Amino acid sequence: TQLLEQSPQFLSIQEGENLTVYCNSSSVFSSLQWYRQEPGEGPVLLVTVVTGGEVKKLKRLTFQFGDARKDSSLHITAAQTGDTGLYLCAGDLANKLVFGAGTILRVKS
Amino acid sequence: DAGVIQSPRHEVTEMGQEVTLRCKPISGHNSLFWYRQTMMRGLELLIYFNNNVPIDDSGMPEDRFSAKMPNASFSTLKIQPSEPRDSAVYFCASSLDLIQGMASYEQYFGPGTRLTVT
Repeated sequence: TQLLEQSPQFLSIQEGENLTVYCNSSSVFSSLQWYRQEPGEGPVLLVTVVTGGEVKKLKRLTFQFGDARKDSSLHITAAQTGDTGLYLCAGDLANKLVFGAGTILRVKS
Repeated sequence: DAGVIQSPRHEVTEMGQEVTLRCKPISGHNSLFWYRQTMMRGLELLIYFNNNVPIDDSGMPEDRFSAKMPNASFSTLKIQPSEPRDSAVYFCASSLDLIQGMASYEQYFGPGTRLTVT
């Protein structure tokens, strides 16, 4: 079982729709990071959230860290085909990163 | 600035052969990580180095796996002998850790080596 559970595992939507990806755990993390990975490439860091309840915005992407620092969400507004990829959350546990299994997002035109 | 460089990008080998994966971290970064990614298990940390010293190798699957970092600009991950279950994408990542041993800071990943063991 994964320490960090991501849902949904797979999401296929039309361009222009909104979506939310969740990252949940029973563990408390010092910080949490979100990465995006495209086929044939390594993960690329999108954001780091550190404080419980913190909300960060990156253009059409909104990241939230849960108050108890056990969960996080990524919301994308008006998805574009360029948002297609694998989204990974990673939590800082005992000074090491633990990754979720990822959410595969496909945005269709 | 060049990112993390990995070679080869693809490796196909037969069971029992030795495999060596190579990584050049971002210049100035003091931590280096080796990960393995599979569909079944996702992204798993194998080992990480800080200032060229192995800090945590608890993720290394078994004695067939070994990693070295002879200097700040080069690391290798070796599998000997290789087995079909080692087939995966292996990533190297580096980071600039402001606090020694804090391996959770923002990491920059290389493009990966896709290993296929037949």
